[in-house]
Amino acid sequence: DAGVIQSPRHEVTEMGQEVTLRCKPISGHNSLFWYRQTMMRGLELLIYFNNNVPIDDSGMPEDRFSAKMPNASFSTLKIQPSEPRDSAVYFCASSAPGQGNSPLHFGNGTRLTVT
Amino acid sequence: ELKVEQNPLFLSMQEGKNYTIYCNYSTTSDRLYWYRQDPGKSLESLFVLLSNGAVKQEGRLMASLDTKARLSTLHITAAVHDLSATYFCAVDGGGNDMRFGAGTRLTVKP
Repeated sequence: DAGVIQSPRHEVTEMGQEVTLRCKPISGHNSLFWYRQTMMRGLELLIYFNNNVPIDDSGMPEDRFSAKMPNASFSTLKIQPSEPRDSAVYFCASSAPGQGNSPLHFGNGTRLTVT
Repeated sequence: ELKVEQNPLFLSMQEGKNYTIYCNYSTTSDRLYWYRQDPGKSLESLFVLLSNGAVKQEGRLMASLDTKARLSTLHITAAVHDLSATYFCAVDGGGNDMRFGAGTRLTVKP
């Protein structure tokens, strides 16, 4: 079991550029979550998918953020255009099917710096 | 909207001492999770609590859940330096809507 795989691990970009973060959930997991972590705001749920369908995207900060899950093994979080306030660690997590009993399995995160 | 509150947010304790971290949440739920995060690392699952009165123990950590009070506790017994980390509780508000507390940064001093 390779765990949840995120790429890149680090991303440094200039304000105004497009940023795409990628996530491969654990095989067989049917729920996928995107979180953002900052010192000021802690862990914020941005969006989550069940069976590749976005369920709740109310945490997405604004229209500059978008997320997709084209299949069960891949998801992207895109920021366009990026701003310095988007600098944070972005975590992807997945969980197994069931009655919600499974904990989240987190990837190692992508540390995004927007200058 | 589901809100999850932890306290304390910062905890400095000496080795060998006991302490409790509290997690309160605002809406009905019977699924609560505890996670640990080391500096610069990801989060790892510690406990899954799925019913009122559930108690789980692993080493020096014990977690419990009171769904009627909407309260979970994480008790640390005879703390050791290796327990220094940030501890998060998370509550499933329904349909996998998983919300996290702000975290408790624990520092165990010799």
